Amino acid sequence: GQQVMQIPQYQHVQEGEDFTTYCNSSTTLSNIQWYKQRPGGHPVFLIQLVKSGEVKKQKRLTFQFGEAKKNSSLHITATQTTDVGTYFCAENAGGTSYGKLTFGQGTILTVHP
Amino acid sequence: GAVVSQHPSRVICKSGTSVKIECRSLDFQATTMFWYRQFPKQSLMLMATSNEGSKATYEQGVEKDKFLINHASLTLSTLTVTSAHPEDSSFYICSATVSGGENIQYFGAGTRLSVL
Repeated sequence: GQQVMQIPQYQHVQEGEDFTTYCNSSTTLSNIQWYKQRPGGHPVFLIQLVKSGEVKKQKRLTFQFGEAKKNSSLHITATQTTDVGTYFCAENAGGTSYGKLTFGQGTILTVHP
Repeated sequence: GAVVSQHPSRVICKSGTSVKIECRSLDFQATTMFWYRQFPKQSLMLMATSNEGSKATYEQGVEKDKFLINHASLTLSTLTVTSAHPEDSSFYICSATVSGGENIQYFGAGTRLSVL
């Protein structure tokens, strides 16, 4: 089935540095969603991208969807300790599998003060 | 809005017992709910899709007789781990989508199951 590959698996940064996580697929994605899971917590929806080349911003977070809809990225500018957690991308398959998400492996972000 | 409550948050049980986990949508109706399993520092593995009023759809490799799912109402789905064994110890998380709404999943807080 559809697989979404996410890299890197781990990222350690100093507070104030930037951070980027990438998701890639060998096939065209119908859409991509991003979730954040704090340590010991549960995933929380951040954003959904649907259109080719789409770029959305949420304060220090910038989300991009590739022109070919085969990759996506999440970029955090000037990380803060509150950004710590695991960031997952996920594809929502749609069709008869409406609602079913295929998650990437996640990127665990550690921010050192 | 879109709050999902999951109970219990933590359970410790003896091997061979059954454990029931509840997932409730508090302020919306959820035709579809999902059950995931997550191992430490790993991604979420979808176990099954729970549909109100019908049988759950299980992912490949998930034993439906071991993980019983019931979705009797638009606000409640339950997962029962039958005859639990130590290898069933894990973090179980449910999620729900708003009926007729956007295809966004709202997650419960999760249940950490430890089987002794």
